[in-house]
Amino acid sequence: QTVVTQEPSLTVSPGGTVTLTCASSTGAVTSAYYPNWFQQKPGQAPKTLIYSSNNKHSWTPARFSGSLLGGKAALTLSGVQPEDEAEYYCLLYYGGVWVFGGGTKLTVL
Amino acid sequence: EVQLVESGGGLVKPGGSLRLSCAASAFTLSNVWMNWVRQAPGKGLEWVGRIRSKTDGGATDYAASLKGRFTISRVDSENTLYLHMNSLTTEDTGVYSCMRGGGQRPFDIWGRGTMVTVSS
Repeated sequence: QTVVTQEPSLTVSPGGTVTLTCASSTGAVTSAYYPNWFQQKPGQAPKTLIYSSNNKHSWTPARFSGSLLGGKAALTLSGVQPEDEAEYYCLLYYGGVWVFGGGTKLTVL
Repeated sequence: EVQLVESGGGLVKPGGSLRLSCAASAFTLSNVWMNWVRQAPGKGLEWVGRIRSKTDGGATDYAASLKGRFTISRVDSENTLYLHMNSLTTEDTGVYSCMRGGGQRPFDIWGRGTMVTVSS
């Protein structure tokens, strides 16, 4: 069974920079996995931030960026704001099916 | 306004069945790929499955863990997506949401979800 792994939790100071990663049990994550990133705040529906590794939606704040880094998909937040405190999920494509990572709880402290 | 609204959730006994709906507004459901995603209480997101657009053949794909118990369908005249769930277990308890995207279109909008509780 395919497993997608994210850091369970990360803490960042306001104004700081943090990188969340997304690894696949099948090997290095490449653009062929079409990595997506979602943000979910308590009691709310998820919001799509990044698609196909590094593409942003019109509503995605500029401080969010996606990339491929060291065999993983990565989401970097630069100049973190208090409102960025949330759960972040990656989603990878495996030839017909998609698999979510377990999520990273980001605390802004 | 482009939106998705799920309904049909509720309490069902183990072994039972349920049909969830996802109604689309301000766009035509059959023109896009659609997905169902679920989230158990206090847990992460789980991709359930998808249906391709009409022009892409309308085929469906599902997460392997569901073992053929779930079926996604679409009624074009109603502009509504469905998730038919059979042989439900307590592990199927959670919020079920529909999400637009796939194929040539990125994932974008989500519904707010409908709660399914499987309990005796």
